[in-house]
Amino acid sequence: TAGITQAPTSQILAAGRSMTLRCTQDMRHNAMYWYRQDLGLGLRLIHYSNTAGTTGKGEVPDGYSVSRANTDDFPLTLASAVPSQTSVYFCASSDSGGMNTEAFFGQGTRLTVV
Amino acid sequence: EDKVVQSPLSLVVHEGDTVTLNCSYEVTNFRSLLWYKQEKKAPTFLFMLTSSGIEKKSGRLSSILDKKELSSILNITATQTGDSAIYLCAVESGFNKFYFGSGTKLNVKP
Repeated sequence: TAGITQAPTSQILAAGRSMTLRCTQDMRHNAMYWYRQDLGLGLRLIHYSNTAGTTGKGEVPDGYSVSRANTDDFPLTLASAVPSQTSVYFCASSDSGGMNTEAFFGQGTRLTVV
Repeated sequence: EDKVVQSPLSLVVHEGDTVTLNCSYEVTNFRSLLWYKQEKKAPTFLFMLTSSGIEKKSGRLSSILDKKELSSILNITATQTGDSAIYLCAVESGFNKFYFGSGTKLNVKP
């Protein structure tokens, strides 16, 4: 079972360039999330989507955008990257269904903006 | 503002020791508290707690939630080097919003 697949696994990006981090899940989960993980700050929520066609802002949404055209895919776009966006990015999903449930994570994308 | 705080930030113990990791939270609409273990890449799920006072147990790991104190502890008994990891606490606030603490980095020495 693939679960959640993120791509690329790592990337070095020049400041000012745009980039899309891809995330695909095959569990038919309703909810999907993007987090960034920085030393000493834990995982911070960037954007989330409760269901296909809807998105919402998390704790640190500035400089990022997302879309949820279908259930499986939840790409994260950096329109004009800045060095402070250097981080490890995790995509996650959960099967909300109105019940409490855990989030499942992808393997992460390590992004370095230079 | 929703907040999750973990302590200690890091911990070094020797094999066989027992450790207690702490997580406290302030959230507007508590639904559940979750513990994850992160070794190299993706966090992996350990426990989900929704009710106060009910201990969840898996092998040498156990966890309990105190809704009155807005906190949870994760206990690991007879620690092994394989327990070395970052342990993350997350709280689901409202619908489908998970907020994470900064994690506790545990290093178990032989």
